[in-house]
Amino acid sequence: DVKVTQSSRYLVKRTGEKVFLECVQDMDHENMFWYRQDPGLGLRLIYFSYDVKMKEKGDIPEGYSVSREKKERFSLILESASTNQTSMYLCASRTVNTGELFFGEGSRLTVL
Amino acid sequence: AQKITQTQPGMFVQEKEAVTLDCTYDTSDQSYGLFWYKQPSSGEMIFLIYQGSYDEQNATEGRYSLNFQKARKSANLVISASQLGDSAMYFCAMREGPSFGANSKLTFGKGITLSVRP
Repeated sequence: DVKVTQSSRYLVKRTGEKVFLECVQDMDHENMFWYRQDPGLGLRLIYFSYDVKMKEKGDIPEGYSVSREKKERFSLILESASTNQTSMYLCASRTVNTGELFFGEGSRLTVL
Repeated sequence: AQKITQTQPGMFVQEKEAVTLDCTYDTSDQSYGLFWYKQPSSGEMIFLIYQGSYDEQNATEGRYSLNFQKARKSANLVISASQLGDSAMYFCAMREGPSFGANSKLTFGKGITLSVRP
């Protein structure tokens, strides 16, 4: 079975803290994505990576960075968390041969 | 301009009836793909159905079908014989460019909440 695993389902952090959200997929997919989901706004793309060590900005990259050192792992980094980054974060992956995204269970981040 | 528009407010349907969830899209690409995902209250995103822009037939997957009207740029999801477990949020999404594209990404709409009444 296809599996995308996000390291934490729920996190609570303080303003200014550095936050790492980890995502691992076991499907040998080339592409990986980070979205954030907010009520009334749907899913918005933060960053994506189409190969190891490659990354591209999505629609809302400000305040975030990413790392992809290995094919199976894609990390989202909040260098200095702010309250407006309180959200649900969804990781997804896909193979280049199809468009379908496979999602993790999500990480709900609260920044106090 | 929004690339994916889902404007219906919360939808309600009686169990065992059919329901249509609307989605319109905006692209200048000739090759693109349209997706529907379901997100129950547990939060996971479940892929439901896919329609390619060059597919001549409307996609169907069990009780789900996609009413694809290319000229109107609409890709509505039809759920037949609604079940209580269909209560969830539904997202329409679009991939611009051909499917064999390493750099293509999916753009999502804002979602529609569907509630199935017993």
